[in-house]
Amino acid sequence: ELKVEQNPLFLSMQEGKNYTIYCNYSTTSDRLYWYRQDPGKSLESLFVLLSNGAVKQEGRLMASLDTKARLSTLHITAAVHDLSATYFCALRSARQLTFGSGTQLTVLP
Amino acid sequence: DAGVIQSPRHEVTEMGQEVTLRCKPISGHNSLFWYRQTMMRGLELLIYFNNNVPIDDSGMPEDRFSAKMPNASFSTLKIQPSEPRDSAVYFCASSLFGQNTEAFFGQGTRLTVV
Repeated sequence: ELKVEQNPLFLSMQEGKNYTIYCNYSTTSDRLYWYRQDPGKSLESLFVLLSNGAVKQEGRLMASLDTKARLSTLHITAAVHDLSATYFCALRSARQLTFGSGTQLTVLP
Repeated sequence: DAGVIQSPRHEVTEMGQEVTLRCKPISGHNSLFWYRQTMMRGLELLIYFNNNVPIDDSGMPEDRFSAKMPNASFSTLKIQPSEPRDSAVYFCASSLFGQNTEAFFGQGTRLTVV
């Protein structure tokens, strides 16, 4: 059974600080996605990571993929309040798109 | 493109009633997913279609749930009879199978069964 595990599940951080969200998965795959969900809203795609060593950056967010370690990270640099949301990683295997539990990020002033 | 379109956005129904949720995927996409999201269980994949054919329905919780995709531009998820524990947000998502693009999500249907 494919498992996708995120940690932490909850994260409160001060504005201006840096932090990393981790996503571990249990099977070989080189298609890893990060999504953002605001409260009461749908999921918005952030990054598509397609190969070992892939790194994508958008603003204060940077995502990376290590397929050998079966690990993806989402790094937040100098957090701002607008980044408060729930972040999901998702793994595409042959027949499914499986999501992690999500990390609820709260950026405090 | 208008994106993935789901209807209704909100549905309140009484226990025992039939509920039908609708989804129009992005034009040209050939994969369609139905997910259920709850606080307790997170995002659960219910069923996945490829080229209108159900490929994996192992996530469908019970026989009360059924899904169809009669053509490339329309899918339904039906619950009959509905129960209070079915209350959740149901998302439909579509993507291009065989491409490495992400799945795009609809706005969801918030279902409340009372």
